[in-house]
Amino acid sequence: QVQLVQSGAEVKKPGASVKVSCRASGYTFTNYYIHWVRQAPGLGPEWVGIINPSVGGTSYAQKLQGRVTMTRDTSTTTAYMELSSLRSEDTAVYYCARGGAVGAAWGAGEHWGQGTLVTVSS
Amino acid sequence: EIVLTQSPGTLSLSPGERTTLSCRASQSVSSIYLAWYQQKPGQAPRLLIYGASNRATGIPDRFSGGGSGTDFTLTISRLEPEDSAVYYCHQYGRSGGTFGGGTKVEIK
Repeated sequence: QVQLVQSGAEVKKPGASVKVSCRASGYTFTNYYIHWVRQAPGLGPEWVGIINPSVGGTSYAQKLQGRVTMTRDTSTTTAYMELSSLRSEDTAVYYCARGGAVGAAWGAGEHWGQGTLVTVSS
Repeated sequence: EIVLTQSPGTLSLSPGERTTLSCRASQSVSSIYLAWYQQKPGQAPRLLIYGASNRATGIPDRFSGGGSGTDFTLTISRLEPEDSAVYYCHQYGRSGGTFGGGTKVEIK
C-alpha cells in the first residue's frame, strides 16, 4: 500500500533553516508528483510547492520563492522540503502528498504523510 | 495566483439532510485541476473529489462534485454524523496551487 512517512517535529529559531523528509513506499517513486502543503495552527492548508521525482523539476508558491527548495533522492525514494530564513509565521504542520502521474496534470493529493510540526520560536 | 473563496463559512445541519458547498475562483480553473478535501481535527486532509466531479477511491456516493469555470460545488446528500469536518477546495493548475478558506460542517 502507498505510504508516505515524514521526519519528526522540529523546533527552530528565527532565521534558521529546516529540512523535512518524506519517504515513499508502495509504488514507483519516480512515477508520481509530490506536493508539499503546510497548515498553520487554526488555519486552512496552504500549497507550498511540487516536485517531479523523475527529473527533479519543481514549482513553488510565489510567496515562498527564494526561501523554499524541494529535492529528492531516488535511491532512497525520499523527497525533501527545505525552508530557509524561518520566521514565526512559518510555524505550521508540513505535509507531503502524492499527486498525479508524472507527465500528466499535477493531480490532487490522494495519499498524505502524517505531517511534521515545525515550530519557529526564539 | 488564483484565489478560491468558499461559502458559507459554517453550516449546522441535521443527519439525513442534504447540503451544497460553494467554491468560487478569482479566474477560470480547468475542471481537471479542482479537488475537494475533508479534514477532521488532528488529521491530514482526505481527498474526496478530483477533476471537479470524480470521487476518490473509497468515497461514498453521497459525496458529489460539480461545476466549471469559476464556480464549483460539493454536494453531500444524506448527511451522517461522521461528515462533521472542514471541507476545502483546492486548485492545482500549472500556475501554482491554492486552497480555499474552508467550510465547517457541524452535524447537530
